[in-house]
Amino acid sequence: SYELTQPPSVSVSPGQTATITCSGDALAKQHAHWYQQKPGQAPVMIIYKDTERSGIPERFSGSRSGTRVTLTISGVQAEDEADYYCQTSDSSFTYFVFGSGTKVTVL
Amino acid sequence: EVQLVESGGALVQPGGSLRLSCAASGFSFSRYWMHWVRQVPGKGLVWVSRITGDGTSATYADSVKGRFTISRDNAKNTLYLQIDSLRAEDTAVYYCARISSLYYDAFDVWGQGTMVTVSS
Repeated sequence: SYELTQPPSVSVSPGQTATITCSGDALAKQHAHWYQQKPGQAPVMIIYKDTERSGIPERFSGSRSGTRVTLTISGVQAEDEADYYCQTSDSSFTYFVFGSGTKVTVL
Repeated sequence: EVQLVESGGALVQPGGSLRLSCAASGFSFSRYWMHWVRQVPGKGLVWVSRITGDGTSATYADSVKGRFTISRDNAKNTLYLQIDSLRAEDTAVYYCARISSLYYDAFDVWGQGTMVTVSS
């Protein structure tokens, strides 16, 4: 089965670094993508192909180590408070899966 | 402007049916695979279904297989989701989304969502 595991929540003070992990066997063969979702809004793609930013501030970065990918927010700002989801698919693009989501709280 | 606009969400009784629509504009609709993703309020994103650009291949999450049907009308630039035998657990915001090979098949464009409530 395709499951992606994320921590439910991360709390960080402004200016500090937030790290969100996403792990799962599905990541062995496919890229991961990251989405940001603020309350009442649709998700927005922020990272694609594990590490590539999509028109977002440079404080957001992605990395990979084996079957775990990581979203890092350096110098967190209040506006970064949101839910973050990782996502991937099977190698034939038959099934797609999202991680369980991580709520980032800026203290 | 690239845009997806969903419609058709409603309050429906258990066992009922509903058809959601997603109107696309600002891009060559037939060139893109399209998806439906749902989200129970306060919960996470769940992938529901996808359809190829020419509409010849569709796949579904196991939880909706046999009850949901995805389709598209490329002449009308519109994506559909037919939902039958509605259950309380289908209550969610339903988003349509596009994936793009430019972004290695990430969901690069999302609609604003349409709410489906299943209740008697």
